[in-house]
Amino acid sequence: QVQLVESGGGVVQPGRSLRLSCAASGFTFSTYGMHWVRQAPGKGLEWVAVISYDGSNKYYGDSVKGRFTISRDNSRDMLYLQMNSLRAEDTAVYYCAKDRTNWNYVFDYWGQGTLVTVSS
Amino acid sequence: DIQMTQSPSSLSASVGDRVTITCRASQTISNYLNWYQQKSGKAPKVLIYAASTLQSGVPSRFSGSGSGTDFTLTISSLQPEDFATYYCQQSHSTPDTFGQGTKLEIK
Repeated sequence: QVQLVESGGGVVQPGRSLRLSCAASGFTFSTYGMHWVRQAPGKGLEWVAVISYDGSNKYYGDSVKGRFTISRDNSRDMLYLQMNSLRAEDTAVYYCAKDRTNWNYVFDYWGQGTLVTVSS
Repeated sequence: DIQMTQSPSSLSASVGDRVTITCRASQTISNYLNWYQQKSGKAPKVLIYAASTLQSGVPSRFSGSGSGTDFTLTISSLQPEDFATYYCQQSHSTPDTFGQGTKLEIK
């Protein structure tokens, strides 16, 4: 069965960096687009970034553009989110999510999430 | 960016009730509209995509309709496990955007 397991969250000071990882299993990772979606405490869902099946195309939400970088390693079935210049407003649970196809923006499987807290 | 507006923001209903949640897009999105259910402390789960296609494994009491700018999610007969928060999401244009959510509570 499809499994997505995020890791790398924690408490970080404003301005610092953090890298999230997502380990995928149960499907052919290299044929699907992948996303990061976040949810601030008590708030709604916000799409963060997408990467195509082969890593050749990437898009970002306006709030993270220029600070966050999405990447993937298809040889290891891993998805990453490098987060730089973190701000208090980046505090959220970060979910990795599988696209239903390559570039469909329908999230058919989600991980359990990893909490990032940006605080001094 | 396309704005998605859900109504109501919260809703109280009883087991067995028929419930409808509405989602409106700020511009036309054809049928690029998806619905998710999120239970407290859990990841969201897709219920319906492309406005009306039921995701595999989702009970048939859930249905979706609409096209253009106005969409609805209907639960035909509420079950205890349906009490959750529901989000619509447009997948027509990047950045894809979510509605603010509708919290469905037990009356």
